[in-house]
Amino acid sequence: DQQVKQNSPSLSVQEGRISILNCDYTNSMFDYFLWYKKYPAEGPTFLISISSIKDKNEDGRFTVFLNKSAKHLSLHIVPSQPGDSAVYFCAASQGGKLIFGQGTELSVKP
Amino acid sequence: DTAVSQTPKYLVTQMGNDKSIKCEQNLGHDTMYWYKQDSKKFLKIMFSYNNKELIINETVPNRFSPKSPDKAHLNLHINSLELGDSAVYFCASSLGNLGYTFGSGTRLTVV
Repeated sequence: DQQVKQNSPSLSVQEGRISILNCDYTNSMFDYFLWYKKYPAEGPTFLISISSIKDKNEDGRFTVFLNKSAKHLSLHIVPSQPGDSAVYFCAASQGGKLIFGQGTELSVKP
Repeated sequence: DTAVSQTPKYLVTQMGNDKSIKCEQNLGHDTMYWYKQDSKKFLKIMFSYNNKELIINETVPNRFSPKSPDKAHLNLHINSLELGDSAVYFCASSLGNLGYTFGSGTRLTVV
């Protein structure tokens, strides 16, 4: 039973446009949500996070939105760049451990 | 200078063998983890150690035994390897509950 799900395995976007990656969760007790980025043959690297008491956090081109009533969060990348092409994992924090979704592979085409 | 390093990067072995994956972090973090990325691409936590003490032990077969000789090292030993153990195993460390730093993964293939 997966508590964190990313239902889109892949997303293709044109360079300069907005990329929107989505994530759904089932456990209302999660207190922190994070996005990680992963390149092939590398480990995931931290991108951006949001506390459950907030609904938006912005860092440069990256913005994470949290909708607690819908148990949904999204990552917006504006403008998208070819270097953003990677697998993006959504994660939720509970009791000292991170629970990850299955990732969405983003491809940004020039 | 690699922050979280795990070896080997690739491991191909026969069913029934025993193998170990090593992990070391030089970040001064107090907590280390092992995650498994299965065929469906989910990253699932297996174990967590804080200052050499086991604090998280998910439902993992007891063929998997983590060992933490000190807080900078967390090794994973797997006995009697099975086909279903084939996966990518990631080591990670953190200071407190957030700010995970991952290693680059070990791709284990059991044949």
